[in-house]
Amino acid sequence: DADVTQTPRNRITKTGKRIMLECSQTKGHDRMYWYRQDPGLGLRLIYYSFDVKDINKGEISDGYSVSRQAQAKFSLSLESAIPNQTALYFCATSDPSGRATDTQYFGPGTRLTVL
Amino acid sequence: GEDVEQSLFLSVREGDSSVINCTYTDSSSTYLYWYKQEPGAGLQLLTYIFSNMDMKQDQRLTVLLNKKDKHLSLRIADTQTGDSAIYFCAEGGGGGYQKVTFGIGTKLQVIP
Repeated sequence: DADVTQTPRNRITKTGKRIMLECSQTKGHDRMYWYRQDPGLGLRLIYYSFDVKDINKGEISDGYSVSRQAQAKFSLSLESAIPNQTALYFCATSDPSGRATDTQYFGPGTRLTVL
Repeated sequence: GEDVEQSLFLSVREGDSSVINCTYTDSSSTYLYWYKQEPGAGLQLLTYIFSNMDMKQDQRLTVLLNKKDKHLSLRIADTQTGDSAIYFCAEGGGGGYQKVTFGIGTKLQVIP
């Protein structure tokens, strides 16, 4: 079974709709991240959480919100989706404790299309 | 803030060596990473180098780090068609509250 899972894998929605993307992990990592990937722009950080009580904005947080429901779950919401939020969204986890290298483990991605 | 730059595209012939280059700005990064993204998948760690090292070799992969110039490279020897992917350079790590910053990714095309 995959260590980092994302649901849904694909979603098509209309402008103005509220959308939630969910991420679950079984790696036991405290740190979780949401990124979006756009052609030519690479990977950009939306929000990150270093533990259950910690939420931080990334470089492109406008239009998004997150909830860290538990160590294993981190969800991303688009309150009112707009077409320029069409992208591939990735969740990731990491564990920087001890001698760990803070390697990030990515989910398979959610392809979101906003019409 | 932190910035990681890399070229967008590289094309090589099967069997040749590939060299993907990256420059970064944060000299306090503890680790520098190379991630690989195959079509339709998420990123996976390919290799990493600790910031006090100059070189790391792992089978067909060689990572070179020039801290003075803040330059990182990934060499893939005997490039195969299965190496076709997007390669992301990243800096950061080391614990604390330091995030990892990714480059935009270099798409490697291997021509048979």
